[in-house]
Amino acid sequence: KNEVEQSPQNLTAQEGEFITINCSYSVGISALHWLQQHPGGGIVSLFMLSSGKKKHGRLIATINIQEKHSSLHITASHPRDSAVYICAVYKAAGNKLTFGGGTRVLVKP
Amino acid sequence: KAGVTQTPRYLIKTRGQQVTLSCSPISGHRSVSWYQQTPGQGLQFLFEYFSETQRNKGNFPGRFSGRQFSNSRSEMNVSTLELGDSALYLCASRRLAGEQETQYFGPGTRLLVL
Repeated sequence: KNEVEQSPQNLTAQEGEFITINCSYSVGISALHWLQQHPGGGIVSLFMLSSGKKKHGRLIATINIQEKHSSLHITASHPRDSAVYICAVYKAAGNKLTFGGGTRVLVKP
Repeated sequence: KAGVTQTPRYLIKTRGQQVTLSCSPISGHRSVSWYQQTPGQGLQFLFEYFSETQRNKGNFPGRFSGRQFSNSRSEMNVSTLELGDSALYLCASRRLAGEQETQYFGPGTRLLVL
């Protein structure tokens, strides 16, 4: 079993819909990152979380350390949000990122 | 500030050859990490360098190696290439090496091994 699991693997939404992507991990972590990868490969770091909730524009990320779970929400989704969203964690022991398999999001106009 | 740059962007090699990829971090960043991305395995950590020293290494064979220079630029080398080494190789830099620091990714080098 992978240490970092994301769901769903694929998601299609209509423009304007609310989107939720989930990330569960099975190890102790010191930090969790949400990344966005557009076609062509470029990766952008969206959030770093070690507790609570963060908001940036239409994106909201939450983490529940006790339940080992994080969610990324996209409000009022737009076709430009179409990308792969990747959850990555730094394990409590060791300073290297372990990645989830990614969630491919397609937002249709 | 200029972003992370990687060269070359695309590369075609044949089995058994070796390849060297280069990464120039954002000015002032001292940590450079390398990642491999394949359709089957997803993103995997290769290694991280900080101030010319390898701090961490992922679970890759010894054919994969790297180094970092005094100006923080980093290179990774893959020797005796195998078909399975075909992948997108990404590097990322951060100012120091804290786990809560944002990593800034380069555009990647797409390697095809024939």
